[in-house]
This record gives sequence, C-alpha cells and structure tokens, in this order.
Amino acid sequence: EDKVVQSPLSLVVHEGDTVTLNCSYEVTNFRSLLWYKQEKKAPTFLFMLTSSGIEKKSGRLSSILDKKELFSILNITATQTGDSAIYLCALTRSGNQFYFGTGTSLTVIP
Amino acid sequence: DADVTQTPRNRITKTGKRIMLECSQTKGHDRMYWYRQDPGLGLRLIYYSFDVKDINKGEISDGYSVSRQAQAKFSLSLESAIPNQTALYFCATSGGTGWIDTQYFGPGTRLTVL
Repeated sequence: EDKVVQSPLSLVVHEGDTVTLNCSYEVTNFRSLLWYKQEKKAPTFLFMLTSSGIEKKSGRLSSILDKKELFSILNITATQTGDSAIYLCALTRSGNQFYFGTGTSLTVIP
Repeated sequence: DADVTQTPRNRITKTGKRIMLECSQTKGHDRMYWYRQDPGLGLRLIYYSFDVKDINKGEISDGYSVSRQAQAKFSLSLESAIPNQTALYFCATSGGTGWIDTQYFGPGTRLTVL
C-alpha cells in the first residue's frame, strides 16, 4: 500500500533555531516528491525533487531526497516566526496521482 | 486575479442537503483535483480529472460526485451531506508546459454539515 509518513507531527522552536522535517514513503512507480507550506490558507509549493542526492535550496530552506532509503528532509535554518506553518510532503507516481502526508506543524516562537 | 478560485468559501448546511462546490482555473491546466483536509489526516484525494472526458475516483470518493463541465471548471457535489463530511475542501490543478507535477491550489471551501 502506498503511504507517506511525516515526522515529527508537531514541533515548537525558538527563532534562530534550525529545524529538520522528515518525510518517508513507500510508493510504487515513484516519480517525484514535493514539499508544500500551508499557513492559514491553501498550500503553496516549495520544492519538487526527482533525483537522489541533489539538494534544492531557496533562501533559508533546503531539501534533499534519498531514493535508496525512501525519504526526504526539509531543512529550515535561522527560523523566523513567519516560518510557522504546516509543512506537507506529497509523492507522485506514474499516472500522476498525488499522495500527501499528514504534515508537520511547525511553531516558531520569538 | 487568483489562478484557481473556489466558491463558496464557506458553507453551513444540514444533513441530507445536496451541496455543490465549484472550482474554476485560469491556468489552462488539463488536470484538476478535489481534496478534503481534516485535522490529523492531511490532504486526501476525492476525485481527479485528467481532461474533460476523464474522471477518476481518489482515495475517498464515496458520498461524492464530480462534473468536469469544461477544461477550466471542476465541480464537486455531495448528494446528501452528512456531518462527517465537515472539512476543508481544496481544488487543485496541474499541467501546462512546465513539469506537470506541481499543483496549484485554490483558497479552499470550509464546509460544515450540521
């Protein structure tokens, strides 16, 4: 059965801390892994990863995929209160179906 | 203007009523999706459509139906709403000339069934 598991489910950190969010998966015919940020509205796209070992970066956020061990991590350095959100991991497989994890709720306190 | 719009944004209804949620997009994408989001359960796929003539059931299609009236419009219906269908509903699209896996979400419809 295809599944996507995110950990931790929730996290509270102080501004300036570095956090690592995890996404492990079991999906047949894997095609890509996507990370989204969801605040009090719709999810917004962060990264898409298709190849192992290639880090994607955008400012203080970065992500990497390990297709052998079937997981991805999302790193956020020097966290700010504006980083508080739910971070969603999603997998796509051939046939373009999407599978979402339950998300990690991140709270950054001043 | 938003690329993916949903109407209504909020709806409160009673058990047994028929409800339609509408989604429109101006991105020119072929693929459209309906999800529901419940606390602790993440986003779950209800239905998806790869083009006007292609409709597919997702993980949790029971109690729902859809209509793809045009490339830009994808409607979700609850034929007889029940309280456990209370959730946040999102429409999304993907496609276009870029990598087709990136999805673009509408703002969501918060549905409450009493």
